[in-house]
Amino acid sequence: AQSVAQPEDQVNVAEGNPLTVKCTYSVSGNPYLFWYVQYPNRGLQFLLKYITGDNLVKGSYGFEAEFNKSQTSFHLKKPSALVSDSALYFCAVRDTGNTDKLIFGTGTRLQVFP
Amino acid sequence: DTGVSQNPRHKITKRGQNVTFRCDPISEHNRLYWYRQTLGQGPEFLTYFQNEAQLEKSRLLSDRFSAERPKGSFSTLEIQRTEQGDSAMYLCASSSASLSGADTQYFGPGTRLTVL
Repeated sequence: AQSVAQPEDQVNVAEGNPLTVKCTYSVSGNPYLFWYVQYPNRGLQFLLKYITGDNLVKGSYGFEAEFNKSQTSFHLKKPSALVSDSALYFCAVRDTGNTDKLIFGTGTRLQVFP
Repeated sequence: DTGVSQNPRHKITKRGQNVTFRCDPISEHNRLYWYRQTLGQGPEFLTYFQNEAQLEKSRLLSDRFSAERPKGSFSTLEIQRTEQGDSAMYLCASSSASLSGADTQYFGPGTRLTVL
């Protein structure tokens, strides 16, 4: 079965510093991987996805993610964190089959301190 | 606003009552999904529509839950005889089928259900 794991419940970083939010995956076949962000009492906003091709995927709001097949990872990164980046981040993988339903990790709370 | 919309945003009900939520997807998106998110967890898949056809239902979707998408446009999710365990955020997402096979799902703001 497809799954993703987010090993950190919370990540703390100072504003202006680089940030990394970790995600590892377990899939059969080619992985289709996604990152979403959720602000309090809001739905999920799409940040980026990896389907195939370049291992470095660029997304919204200056975020990027690096696909690493040998380490089965898809870590989210940003060179310089903003206080406004503080939110809940979810990694997800597309399930096998024909529905494209997503399987989400448990989420990582990012706190950026001024 | 051309995003996914959901109504109501909040619903408080007493145990045993029926509730219905509505989702309006992005226009021209033929795929529509319902997910449930409980506190501290990621969203979990409930059901999926392609146009008006309901093609998959999760085991999480007990017989008290029913979803429809008449005419392939908006969708409704009804919960009958609500239980306290139904308290959660109910998220709707829509997407448009693409050749890549990895459509981006766009989510609505969710409906937060509280069962007293």
